[in-house]
Amino acid sequence: KAGVTQTPRYLIKTRGQQVTLSCSPISGHRSVSWYQQTPGQGLQFLFEYFSETQRNKGNFPGRFSGRQFSNSRSEMNVSTLELGDSALYLCASSLNPAPDGETQYFGPGTRLLVL
Amino acid sequence: GDSVTQMEGPVTLSEEAFLTINCTYTATGYPSLFWYVQYPGEGLQLLLKATKADDKGSNKGFEATYRKETTSFHLEKGSVQVSDSAVYFCALSPTGNQFYFGTGTSLTVIP
Repeated sequence: KAGVTQTPRYLIKTRGQQVTLSCSPISGHRSVSWYQQTPGQGLQFLFEYFSETQRNKGNFPGRFSGRQFSNSRSEMNVSTLELGDSALYLCASSLNPAPDGETQYFGPGTRLLVL
Repeated sequence: GDSVTQMEGPVTLSEEAFLTINCTYTATGYPSLFWYVQYPGEGLQLLLKATKADDKGSNKGFEATYRKETTSFHLEKGSVQVSDSAVYFCALSPTGNQFYFGTGTSLTVIP
């Protein structure tokens, strides 16, 4: 079974631009979560989608948004990029959200560099 | 709010040494606890998990016990190998799929 795929793997943007990252979950998985990983802050939760609905959202500004499609693929968008948005963006999928924390499977990430 | 605190690295050990990476958490209710591992150049992989107090998660020789009385989930391995060199993340999930991760502990095992 193919794993979680993320595209693109690497991206260079300039301040003020916007960017869209894509995530395809493992086949059959309906829940997708996004994380930002930086050396200083570690892994921080951005948001989670299930059945095309945002279920949870982390503490990030409104410039960060996402959506999920009917085939469970998800995109996240960052508008008006800032230097501090440079990070590895990780997507994780799971079968369903569950009260005890369904095991998440992570993709390889998209490395975004903002100049 | 919910959070995870894990020991800062980097940690450097000789092969066959004993490993402990401390992890403590703050959460309301009864979260599930996880250890994830990130090998160089790869994505995060689930190493082990525990969903209730006194549960012990184990995998690949690693173990961690969910201690509610001390709000801890320390990772241990009796004899590390060079191939265990990676970054280890402690995480909790209070509900659904909202995860809170520690900042990660880098482990280097030297032959």
